[in-house]
Amino acid sequence: GQNIDQPTEMTATEGAIVQINCTYQTSGFNGLFWYQQHAGEAPTFLSYNVLDGLEEKGRFSSFLSRSKGYSYLLLKELQMKDSASYLCAVLLNNAGNMLTFGGGTRLMVKP
Amino acid sequence: NAGVTQTPKFQVLKTGQSMTLQCAQDMNHEYMSWYRQDPGMGLRLIHYSVGAGITDQGEVPNGYNVSRSTTEDFPLRLLSAAPSQTSVYFCASSEVMSGSEAFFGQGTRLTVV
Repeated sequence: GQNIDQPTEMTATEGAIVQINCTYQTSGFNGLFWYQQHAGEAPTFLSYNVLDGLEEKGRFSSFLSRSKGYSYLLLKELQMKDSASYLCAVLLNNAGNMLTFGGGTRLMVKP
Repeated sequence: NAGVTQTPKFQVLKTGQSMTLQCAQDMNHEYMSWYRQDPGMGLRLIHYSVGAGITDQGEVPNGYNVSRSTTEDFPLRLLSAAPSQTSVYFCASSEVMSGSEAFFGQGTRLTVV
């Protein structure tokens, strides 16, 4: 089966930096996505990594190591509005761009 | 710019009832899918479609049917609702290109009593 693990909850302080880890063991791999989901809302796209390395997009960065089955999402200069769940998802194959999700990490940003 | 539209937003069903969750997208995306989200379990794929007339099963298809008669619409049918189907359902669409981001609808919160 597919196994995607991420911490259930994290807490961080406004203005700080937080790193959310994701490890995966899957039967296929065609890339890894991070989505943000505020409570009661739909997930929204943050990043996509298919090659090893760091992708930076404003305050958010995402890293991938395919050999280690490991990714992280780095959030800098945390703001209160960053309080949300962060979903790690693996693209198993290209047919239909179907995603397998981890359980999500609920991040709480405190003043 | 509507994106992906799901209806209804909330629904309560009695065990054994049937219903259809509607999903429509206006982005001309070929790929569409249905997920359910349960606490602590993340999003799980129910069914997906790679184009009009083509559907396939995902991870948790039992108790659900889908059809894709047009590019825009991808309804999800619950044949005989069970309490285990209480969940939040999300429809998503994406372009054909590998790695394209999925756009999600706002979700349908379903309770089966």
